[in-house]
Amino acid sequence: GDSVTQTEGQVTVSESKSLIINCTYSTTSIAYPNLFWYVRYPGEGLQLLLKVITAGQKGSSRGFEATYNKETTSFHLQKASVQESDSAVYYCALGDSNYQLIWGSGTKLIIKP
Amino acid sequence: GGIITQTPKFLIGQEGQKLTLKCQQNFNHDTMYWYRQDSGKGLRLIYYSITENDLQKGDLSEGYDASREKKSSFSLTVTSAQKNEMAVFLCASSWTGGRDYAEQFFGPGTRLTVL
Repeated sequence: GDSVTQTEGQVTVSESKSLIINCTYSTTSIAYPNLFWYVRYPGEGLQLLLKVITAGQKGSSRGFEATYNKETTSFHLQKASVQESDSAVYYCALGDSNYQLIWGSGTKLIIKP
Repeated sequence: GGIITQTPKFLIGQEGQKLTLKCQQNFNHDTMYWYRQDSGKGLRLIYYSITENDLQKGDLSEGYDASREKKSSFSLTVTSAQKNEMAVFLCASSWTGGRDYAEQFFGPGTRLTVL
């Protein structure tokens, strides 16, 4: 089946430092899945952060970037300089052959002032 | 913009009890979803519906029923609550998917506790 593995648990980063949250995927149902990052800010519902539907392309939003790497089956989320407002839980997801989303377990980002 | 409302926010039930969770959306989206999220885990699809009166099973449908009474509402029934079902249930909606995977919009969730 299809699966998504992302950085487990929580990540703590000092304000203005760089961030990477790893995401790798495995798929047997679809050769070129669409890839997504969703985010849940404290007190809010899950919302789409960015998506990439073409291998080799980069998506970006709110200073975050992720590149769809077909060779390494990865879609890591990066930001050059984090802010306190980036504190949230981040989820990587894959679109499978049934047009449904397969989700990673989520990574909680904590920003140290 | 629109909003997704889930009721109740917290649901406490007894083991073996039948429990119903409700979801309303005013986006006028075609497709609605129910997910379950256990603590520290990703979301797992229970049911989805691509139009009124349509129901499609997800990977986790056993032990649940769903009903799409009208375009704007989608309810989920836990047919017999079990202690290992304590989780957050998330409702989502989107325009009809397809190859472009329409963005899903989520409600705030219902937290289920089974005593």
